[in-house]
Parts: sequence; C-alpha cells; structure tokens
Amino acid sequence: DTGVSQDPRHKITKRGQNVTFRCDPISEHNRLYWYRQTLGQGPEFLTYFQNEAQLEKSRLLSDRFSAERPKGSFSTLEIQRTEQGDSAMYLCASSLAETGGTEAFFGQGTRLTVV
Amino acid sequence: AQRVTQPEKLLSVFKGAPVELKCNYSYSGSPELFWYVQYSRQRLQLLLRHISRESIKGFTADLNKGETSFHLKKPFAQEEDSAMYYCALSGSRDDKIIFGKGTRLHILP
Repeated sequence: DTGVSQDPRHKITKRGQNVTFRCDPISEHNRLYWYRQTLGQGPEFLTYFQNEAQLEKSRLLSDRFSAERPKGSFSTLEIQRTEQGDSAMYLCASSLAETGGTEAFFGQGTRLTVV
Repeated sequence: AQRVTQPEKLLSVFKGAPVELKCNYSYSGSPELFWYVQYSRQRLQLLLRHISRESIKGFTADLNKGETSFHLKKPFAQEEDSAMYYCALSGSRDDKIIFGKGTRLHILP
C-alpha cells in the first residue's frame, strides 16, 4: 500500500498518560496535515507542515499537543497528559503542494480513547 | 476568517431522484473548493474540486462566488452514493484545508 499510513490504528490510554501517533505520508508529498475528528463532526484542522517546517498550528490546540516532522518525511503527533476530551479520531493527510490544487490524501486514522 | 458551512446533517433521497448537497463558504479572497467523500469503512477521499470542472461518478459542483456557494449535485441518485460528504476550502496553494461538518447522504431504495 503506497498511500498514507498511520500507526497505531487504535489507542486506549488512561487519563494523564502521554501518547504519540505516527504518520507516514506518500513518499513524494511535501505537505502533511493533522486533523482531529469527533463523532458527527468534520475533520478539524490541527496543524500542517511544508517539508519539515510547521506552517501553522490551530489556536484551538492546547500546549499539550505537539507535532514534528524532523526530516520532512514521517510525522509524529504527541499528546501529553491526556484528557477524556482528547478522545477522537486523529487523521493525517499529505499532498504535493506544487501541483494545481491541493488534493489531500488521507490515512485511515488513529482512534484514541482516553479512559 | 475561513469557514465552511454544510447546513444539512442528513439528506435522504430516493434512488433515481436528484441530489443536491449544500455548501456555503466564507473567505476573503479566491478560495479553492473541494468535495471529499467517505464511504463506510473507507478513508476520506477527494471526490472533485472546482478548478477541474469535472464530473466524477455523475457528481458536479459549480462555484458561485456571488452566493459563496459550492453545492454538489447529481441528477439521478444511486444506492452506492450513500456516504458522508464533506465540503472543504483552501485559501491558496500555501494554505491549510478546512472542512465543513459534513452531510450524510442516505439513498433510499
């Protein structure tokens, strides 16, 4: 499968624990996005990267959330001191910014449950 | 501020009937508009984008800058069209993509 892959697919954690998710984008894609999706809602923008540079972080994102893309390839999203409100599907997407339009290809997502 | 509004959470349409999923946007500039679809147990995927002016699976969408709308239409619904549909906006090629809350399209037999 040469699409966007995310790991793990599911994560159950206790409140207060730290969690880290990984996203591997399509190899030639230079842009990478993170979204959060809760039941009945559309994907909510969290942050995005152009190569290794983090271009924007949502103002809704607390300081407990941090994302990296150290070599401009894979990315990690870490949530520190998880809270029950962090329970959601975390989606990663990638795109090739130079092409016309910004078609984003999505991964299957990581479902986080905080208990 | 960028915003995408999909007023209908659920739309039920009989097979063979026309479909129109509404999308309105707010953006001060020239946006790129998209429709994404998520079929049951599949990942979110692009359906179409306004710059391509193409018809995908019988769906079309026209950007109306005066009404700031990008409604998705299909003349004859098919059962396989049942899915979640998300309207999305990007401000420019250097900007993020934001999504509406989605509309669930349910095709009745």
